[in-house]
Amino acid sequence: QQQVKQSPQSLIVQKGGISIINCAYENTAFDYFPWYQQFPGKGPALLIAIRPDVSEKKEGRFTISFNKSAKQFSLHIMDSQPGDSATYFCAAIHNNAGNMLTFGGGTRLMVKP
Amino acid sequence: DTGVSQNPRHKITKRGQNVTFRCDPISEHNRLYWYRQTLGQGPEFLTYFQNEAQLEKSRLLSDRFSAERPKGSFSTLEIQRTEQGDSAMYLCASSLEVWRGSEQYFGPGTRLTVT
Repeated sequence: QQQVKQSPQSLIVQKGGISIINCAYENTAFDYFPWYQQFPGKGPALLIAIRPDVSEKKEGRFTISFNKSAKQFSLHIMDSQPGDSATYFCAAIHNNAGNMLTFGGGTRLMVKP
Repeated sequence: DTGVSQNPRHKITKRGQNVTFRCDPISEHNRLYWYRQTLGQGPEFLTYFQNEAQLEKSRLLSDRFSAERPKGSFSTLEIQRTEQGDSAMYLCASSLEVWRGSEQYFGPGTRLTVT
């Protein structure tokens, strides 16, 4: 059972455009939501994270929007660049678990120059 | 480089053989996690250690899998009697747990291919 659902599976965006990746979860015990970026041959690296008491968090070109009532959150990449081409994973942490990450299925982003 | 390191990076083995992977976390990180990632999917949690104690194991971790973290430093993940379904990338991550949600730093992974 996939606890965190992510869409789309792949995304192609022109340079300078906005990339939007969406995630939804069912388990209301999740209380921390990080996004990871993974390049080929590398492990995932933390990009940005949010707690459910905040509706939006922005760091540079990356913004997380969080809708607690809908149990959905999304990543927006503004002014997308070819260097942003990677696979993005949303994730969630359970508030009574040992901080293990539950990942979504991933979105492969390609930014065309 | 003081990041998380994993060895070997690639391993090809025949079905039925045993394999062992090693993870060296960032020094002083007290938590160490193992995840498995199959092609086109997100990583799935396998197990984690707080210092040398193994605190949780996923149902994905069958009896053929065993993990250790002697002395709370490096960790090993052994798979006995490998099956083709074990083919995946095995990722290790470490963190310094001073608060919930502390960042997990991932290694580059060990890609296992079982033929």
